Amino acid sequence: DQQVKQNSPSLSVQEGRISILNCDYTNSMFDYFLWYKKYPAEGPTFLISISSIKDKNEDGRFTVFLNKSAKHLSLHIVPSQPGDSAVYFCAAGYDTNAGKSTFGDGTTLTVKP
Amino acid sequence: NAGVTQTPKFQVLKTGQSMTLQCAQDMNHEYMSWYRQDPGMGLRLIHYSVGAGITDQGEVPNGYNVSRSTTEDFPLRLLSAAPSQTSVYFCASSRLSGADYNEQFFGPGTRLTVL
Repeated sequence: DQQVKQNSPSLSVQEGRISILNCDYTNSMFDYFLWYKKYPAEGPTFLISISSIKDKNEDGRFTVFLNKSAKHLSLHIVPSQPGDSAVYFCAAGYDTNAGKSTFGDGTTLTVKP
Repeated sequence: NAGVTQTPKFQVLKTGQSMTLQCAQDMNHEYMSWYRQDPGMGLRLIHYSVGAGITDQGEVPNGYNVSRSTTEDFPLRLLSAAPSQTSVYFCASSRLSGADYNEQFFGPGTRLTVL
């Protein structure tokens, strides 16, 4: 049973437009959620996180929204840039086991110039 | 500050061979973990450690061993390699407390092929 799901394997957007990446989870006990970005032949890098007690967190062009009732979170990138083209992983975890995150399968974002 | 380092970057093994993937971090992080990533899939947790001398199994531990004798190092051993272990392996570390404690720092990965 996959607890964190990213149902869109890929997303293509035009430079300057908004990119919206979605993630669904099944475990209501998760305490925090994270997004990682991964370029080819590199390890994932942390992008942004949100605690379960919040519904929004913003960092520059990146905003994560959390809807606990729907068990859904989304990452908004505005405006999208060609350098944002990468695989984006959604992850979730528990405060009682910090660092042990469960990952989704990833969404490949392509931003076209 | 090198962050998380992994060696080797690439490795080809024959079925039945054993080997150790090395991982080291210089951030004094308590938590370290090993993941594998198969094509089209996310990262699956193999083993993790919350400190020197303490290790535990993750989601897919079979065929792998770990040990944590120091805070810095967390090697992953393949006991008898199988083609199903062909994958990219990532090591990660993080704090267990404090600001951004849940953010994991990843190494560049080791691409392993088992023939």
